[in-house]
Amino acid sequence: GEDVEQSLFLSVREGDSSVINCTYTDSSSTYLYWYKQEPGAGLQLLTYIFSNMDMKQDQRLTVLLNKKDKHLSLRIADTQTGDSAIYFCAESIAGSARQLTFGSGTQLTVLP
Amino acid sequence: DSGVTQTPKHLITATGQRVTLRCSPRSGDLSVYWYQQSLDQGLQFLIQYYNGEERAKGNILERFSAQQFPDLHSELNLSSLELGDSALYFCASNTEGQAGNTIYFGEGSWLTVV
Repeated sequence: GEDVEQSLFLSVREGDSSVINCTYTDSSSTYLYWYKQEPGAGLQLLTYIFSNMDMKQDQRLTVLLNKKDKHLSLRIADTQTGDSAIYFCAESIAGSARQLTFGSGTQLTVLP
Repeated sequence: DSGVTQTPKHLITATGQRVTLRCSPRSGDLSVYWYQQSLDQGLQFLIQYYNGEERAKGNILERFSAQQFPDLHSELNLSSLELGDSALYFCASNTEGQAGNTIYFGEGSWLTVV
């Protein structure tokens, strides 16, 4: 079945890079997503990667995909206090009508 | 602003009651999804509608139902509410065939059952 796993917590110093990791089990994933949720707010789509790609860069965000290990990571360069939030990894499966399976979320805390 | 609008933002109701959550998708989006976010279950897919028809069902209880209207807005009906139904309910939308197939979420409706 589908399972997406993330570590629960990550703390970094302001200005450092953050790397949030995610593993998934379904090899038929078509798209993999990163969403951000700030306290009391909804889910903001940060970026996504198609499963035939290895890397995608979007300003301070870099997504790396290792299909062999079913491992996805999100790197945030020059992390700021405004990046403190919960980050969710999600996958959509081919033929599943585009529903998303989410990980449990990683709480990123940026320390001054 | 994702373009997906949900109402109400907050709702408090008693056990056994029935509530309706409303969602307006992004302009032009034909698909609407409902998700539930709770402390113990995390984010779970409930149901999807596409152009008025049910497309996929996830972990949706029989006490819950949804529909999508001709103007593409959707409603999630929750009945015989229990304490455990307290959660944040998200609506999301996308356009089938859109490059990247990105799914945009609303800000959610906070439901508290007391």
